[in-house]
Amino acid sequence: AQKVTQAQTEISVVEKEDVTLDCVYETRDTTYYLFWYKQPPSGELVFLIRRNSFDEQNEISGRYSWNFQKSTSSFNFTITASQVVDSAVYFCALSEVGFGNEKLTFGTGTRLTIIP
Amino acid sequence: DTEVTQTPKHLVMGMTNKKSLKCEQHMGHRAMYWYKQKAKKPPELMFVYSYEKLSINESVPSRFSPECPNSSLLNLHLHALQPEDSALYLCASSQDPASGRFNEQFFGPGTRLTVL
Repeated sequence: AQKVTQAQTEISVVEKEDVTLDCVYETRDTTYYLFWYKQPPSGELVFLIRRNSFDEQNEISGRYSWNFQKSTSSFNFTITASQVVDSAVYFCALSEVGFGNEKLTFGTGTRLTIIP
Repeated sequence: DTEVTQTPKHLVMGMTNKKSLKCEQHMGHRAMYWYKQKAKKPPELMFVYSYEKLSINESVPSRFSPECPNSSLLNLHLHALQPEDSALYLCASSQDPASGRFNEQFFGPGTRLTVL
């Protein structure tokens, strides 16, 4: 069975600080995808990134960066120079591959509050 | 048009009412999903439609009845709900289940349902 663990339930940082959100996953599949989604107070889930299990390159997109390490089954997300607009719940998710109807297994989420 | 829309945004209903939630996308996506999200919990998959056919039902009670009348539209019919069914109901779509490629899911803003 697949499982995603986000041990940090809530994090608060002062604006402009860097913050890392942790994600640890379990799967028996050799091919899988990992995701991060952002859920602001308005409710919609905003797709941030997808990473497949064969691509361990880290990725940077503006103030966001992701560190994927298969050896530790982790896919951590760092926000650099945080801003108030980054306040949201962030979900890490894992997907089985194939069939086209991808089933996402979500972690329990990390509520991030950026203090002005 | 690159978004998933959901109506209504908010819905309050009694336990004897019949109501429907609507989801629409015009991205040409051929897979559509319903998720249920309770407060402070991650989304949980309810149903998946692929090419307008129900492909996944995650053992959802029959008081929830999905319908996919065409490739752009997904409904969730509600009848005899319980107060514990109060939640945010999220719709999502993804591109092409038959492509053999992974397709990330795009989410709508959700319908916040309260059952009295």
